[in-house]
Amino acid sequence: GDSVTQMEGPVTLSEEAFLTINCTYTATGYPSLFWYVQYPGEGLQLLLKATKADDKGSNKGFEATYRKETTSFHLEKGSVQVSDSAVYFCALRIQGGSEKLVFGKGTKLTVNP
Amino acid sequence: EAQVTQNPRYLITVTGKKLTVTCSQNMNHEYMSWYRQDPGLGLRQIYYSMNVEVTDKGDVPEGYKVSRKEKRNFPLILESPSPNQTSLYFCASSPLAGPNNEQFFGPGTRLTVL
Repeated sequence: GDSVTQMEGPVTLSEEAFLTINCTYTATGYPSLFWYVQYPGEGLQLLLKATKADDKGSNKGFEATYRKETTSFHLEKGSVQVSDSAVYFCALRIQGGSEKLVFGKGTKLTVNP
Repeated sequence: EAQVTQNPRYLITVTGKKLTVTCSQNMNHEYMSWYRQDPGLGLRQIYYSMNVEVTDKGDVPEGYKVSRKEKRNFPLILESPSPNQTSLYFCASSPLAGPNNEQFFGPGTRLTVL
């Protein structure tokens, strides 16, 4: 079945450090890929997405590239801020059927000043 | 403001006492879905709806019911809640089913069943 595997957390970084959160997927079809962010006490917000191979999604300094050959969609940011502290979810969605989002388990990021 | 709203945000109840969590969206979206979020498991789909009067089971539908009588509303019903339904619940909606369409999430409902 379809699944998403993302690196286990928690991840703790100092402000201005480089961030990578790994995400790989298994899919029977051709998925669209997403990163969602959940700030403390809030719902999920779409951070970025990519809908086909080699697409790069970007937003708020975060980037992720859809790599079909490695079935990966790693999230990166060059210089994190305290305000980036949140839980990050990698997800895929395949057309047809339930149209559901299949989520990874989430990675909690804490950025210290 | 375009949004998905859920009520209540927090609920503590006892085993067997029927409850309903409401979900409403003001974006005229056809697709709506319920997820539950549990530590170490991420989010899992409970039920979804492609349009009015069209609903179907997700991955973890046991113990839940839904209805879609109007396009904007998609309530989640627990007829006889049990402690294993203690969880954080999210409603989501998107315009027409499709892999590229962003799903918009509500703020969540934290349910505790004693």
